[in-house]
Amino acid sequence: TQLLEQSPQFLSIQEGENLTVYCNSSSVFSSLQWYRQEPGEGPVLLVTVVTGGEVKKLKRLTFQFGDARKDSSLHITAAQPGDTGLYLCAGAGTYKYIFGTGTRLKVLA
Amino acid sequence: NAGVMQNPRHLVRRRGQEARLRCSPMKGHSHVYWYRQLPEEGLKFMVYLQKENIIDESGMPKERFSAEFPKEGPSILRIQQVVRGDSAAYFCASSPRAGLNTEAFFGQGTRLTVV
Repeated sequence: TQLLEQSPQFLSIQEGENLTVYCNSSSVFSSLQWYRQEPGEGPVLLVTVVTGGEVKKLKRLTFQFGDARKDSSLHITAAQPGDTGLYLCAGAGTYKYIFGTGTRLKVLA
Repeated sequence: NAGVMQNPRHLVRRRGQEARLRCSPMKGHSHVYWYRQLPEEGLKFMVYLQKENIIDESGMPKERFSAEFPKEGPSILRIQQVVRGDSAAYFCASSPRAGLNTEAFFGQGTRLTVV
């Protein structure tokens, strides 16, 4: 069974701080996605990483896919209150997406 | 290009009634996925369908739950004889193809409340 574990589960930080969220698995994934979900809404795709070691940047967000394609990280620089939300990683299996347990981020002004 | 459309957004059912959740995928997408999310939890896979075919239903409860994706019209997730434990947010996602490196786009979900 493929599982994705995210850490930390909860994170509350002050505006302007940096943070890193981790997504780990014992399984290899062909690709991995990161989503953000706000209360009452569906997950919104942020990025897809495909190649082991790949790094992608989206403004203040930096995503990295592990060399072995079993883990990934999301780093946010100078967090803002608008970054508040549930961050989910999802690995592409053969027929379905396996979602991580989620990291709930709250950025305080 | 409209996104994934789910309706209704909110659904209230009494115990024992049936719930029907609809999902219209993005234009050009023939692959649909259904997920369930309990409060404060991640998304749990339920079923994956292509047009007229169920490909993977390993996450579907064996009883009371069914899904279809007909040749014409939306995908339907049907829950018969609902119980309080069925209360959750149900999300649908669609993709243009299956397999490697495929991105899925999610709808806004249907929040089912069983009273």
